[in-house]
Amino acid sequence: AQTVTQSQPEMSVQEAETVTLSCTYDTSENNYYLFWYKQPPSRQMILVIRQEAYKQQNATENRFSVNFQKAAKSFSLKISDSQLGDTAMYFCAFVNYGGSQGNLIFGKGTKLSVKP
Amino acid sequence: NAGVTQTPKFQVLKTGQSMTLQCAQDMNHNSMYWYRQDPGMGLRLIYYSASEGTTDKGEVPNGYNVSRLNKREFSLRLESAAPSQTSVYFCASSDFDRGRGTFYEQYFGPGTRLTVT
Repeated sequence: AQTVTQSQPEMSVQEAETVTLSCTYDTSENNYYLFWYKQPPSRQMILVIRQEAYKQQNATENRFSVNFQKAAKSFSLKISDSQLGDTAMYFCAFVNYGGSQGNLIFGKGTKLSVKP
Repeated sequence: NAGVTQTPKFQVLKTGQSMTLQCAQDMNHNSMYWYRQDPGMGLRLIYYSASEGTTDKGEVPNGYNVSRLNKREFSLRLESAAPSQTSVYFCASSDFDRGRGTFYEQYFGPGTRLTVT
């Protein structure tokens, strides 16, 4: 079974500090993509960052970066210089492109609160 | 570009009523998806359509039907609503080419909050 586990249901961080959200996944495939999506109170799903499994270099997008450990099947998200607007649910997800039709497998999410 | 649009945004149904959730995308994507989001459960796939004219079941298809009307539109129908179908429903689309091993991000609609009483 393909699964995604986010072990931190809720986290909080002070504004301007750094926080890391954890994600582990389980798949027998070798080729896949990993994503972090953000869902603010507006409910809109917003892509934060993506990582191709064949790339060893960790992806970065401005204040957001990942630590991708393929052998450990770990994909954590680091948010630097946290801002109030980062308050949201964060979902880790992956998709196999070998045997699937492109549907995402989601974790249950981590609720992040950024405090002033 | 409007991206992915969904109607309605909110709906309240009584048990046994039927309704159709509409979804349209203007990005010329081949693949479209319907997910439901329940508290503490993340998003789960209900049905998907890899291309125009094809549909397949996802993880939680019971109680739902879908229609890929054309490349742009993918509707989700509840024939006889049940309280267990109270949820937030998301439509998404993407370009996915298994032959070339390429996958592009899924774009999501704003969601429909459905309550069945």
